Amino acid sequence: DQQVKQNSPSLSVQEGRISILNCDYTNSMFDYFLWYKKYPAEGPTFLISISSIKDKNEDGRFTVFLNKSAKHLSLHIVPSQPGDSAVYFCAAFNQGGSEKLVFGKGTKLTVNP
Amino acid sequence: NAGVTQTPKFQVLKTGQSMTLQCAQDMNHNSMYWYRQDPGMGLRLIYYSASEGTTDKGEVPNGYNVSRLNKREFSLRLESAAPSQTSVYFCASSSLRRELRDTQYFGPGTRLTVL
Repeated sequence: DQQVKQNSPSLSVQEGRISILNCDYTNSMFDYFLWYKKYPAEGPTFLISISSIKDKNEDGRFTVFLNKSAKHLSLHIVPSQPGDSAVYFCAAFNQGGSEKLVFGKGTKLTVNP
Repeated sequence: NAGVTQTPKFQVLKTGQSMTLQCAQDMNHNSMYWYRQDPGMGLRLIYYSASEGTTDKGEVPNGYNVSRLNKREFSLRLESAAPSQTSVYFCASSSLRRELRDTQYFGPGTRLTVL
C-alpha cells in the first residue's frame, strides 16, 4: 500500500512558467511533509517542508501548499528555470512516531529553455 | 564539514559475493538510514537506526544486515548478493524530532551492480 503517491512520473514546462508538482498521501497520521530534489548521480537534497499546522510555506521561488482535508500537497516553482530540471520527491512522516520518512516515487521535471 | 559520506561510489559483484557499504556523518545526528533507489520505485527504506545501538527494519530489509558502529557510522552488508540487489544505495542522516527540527541529509550514493 503506497502511503505517499506522486501520480505524475514526469512533467515538462517552459522556462519562466509555473511548475506544479503534486503529491497525495493516505496516512492521516502524517503531520510533516518535505520535498527533495535529485539530480542524476547525486543524492537527494532538501528543498522545502511544511508542518500540518500550516497550509502554505514559501521559500523564494518555491512554495508548498498543504490541503489536509484532501490529503494533498503541491509544490509550485515560479518562475521555472532550466536548472530546476530534476526528479522531485515528496516525503511525509509522523512527528509523534518513528523518524522514518515515507517517500513518493518521484516526478521528473524538465524545464525547457 | 563533509556531511554524509559513502564508500564505495561504484561496485560490481558476482552473485553470491558479499560486501559492506560504509556510511559516515559528521553532523552529530542521532538517526541514520539506508535507502535503495530503483527506476520507477522511488526511495525505499531498507533499515534505519534511531540512535547508536539500535536498528530497525524498513520497507525492504530482506537480504541485508546493518551495523550502527557508533554515532557517526552506519554500515549496510549484503551477505550473498543477488541480481535483484542491483540498485543505487543512499545513506542519510537526520534529526527529525520536533525539538531538534532538521531534515534528512543524503550521501552521494553507491551504484551497485550484481552480475
